[in-house]
Amino acid sequence: AQSVTQPDIHITVSEGASLELRCNYSYGATPYLFWYVQSPGQGLQLLLKYFSGDTLVQGIKGFEAEFKRSQSSFNLRKPSVHWSDAAEYFCAVDRRGLGNEKLTFGTGTRLTIIP
Amino acid sequence: SAVISQKPSRDICQRGTSLTIQCQVDSQVTMMFWYRQQPGQSLTLIATANQGSEATYESGFVIDKFPISRPNLTFSTLTVSNMSPEDSSIYLCSVEAKGYEQYFGPGTRLTVT
Repeated sequence: AQSVTQPDIHITVSEGASLELRCNYSYGATPYLFWYVQSPGQGLQLLLKYFSGDTLVQGIKGFEAEFKRSQSSFNLRKPSVHWSDAAEYFCAVDRRGLGNEKLTFGTGTRLTIIP
Repeated sequence: SAVISQKPSRDICQRGTSLTIQCQVDSQVTMMFWYRQQPGQSLTLIATANQGSEATYESGFVIDKFPISRPNLTFSTLTVSNMSPEDSSIYLCSVEAKGYEQYFGPGTRLTVT
């Protein structure tokens, strides 16, 4: 089945350490790819997106993501996390290039930051 | 980007009643979306609401349960009808802005008792 997978339900990272959140998709062609963050009690905020071109994209709050076609992955990274990064992170795909303009979300990864 | 507000931010409702959630955008947008986020879960699209046409519902969601209005390019409402405890969720509206980016409102946290 076509899907978006975030294999890590919960990740705990020390403040100042690096972070990588995984996202894989299983569509036949490359969709548009997004990462969103949801802080407790808040709506979703767009961190970054990938449509085409340079496979390393920069986003807000010091986040970046790398698209790897061979692995059907779009992993989110940050070199040094801050306590304020504790939140739920969602990977999402938009398949409008494939005739479906809706966002499909992964199940999310909860990030906990320890001092 | 677009700034989106939702009312109410939260509510506690009795079983069998209905609640209408409002979504207001600070600019004119063509496409608006309504999502449900059940406790501890990801987001599920309920329907797409385009101005001047009937909302398009996703599989598992019906108009009788979730009627949607879209009277103009900056406003939409979602009604959760005949509520049961299973409807307890966060309901979020979003809009599509330039570059196929979706921007989300802060959500309405609904508890049905």
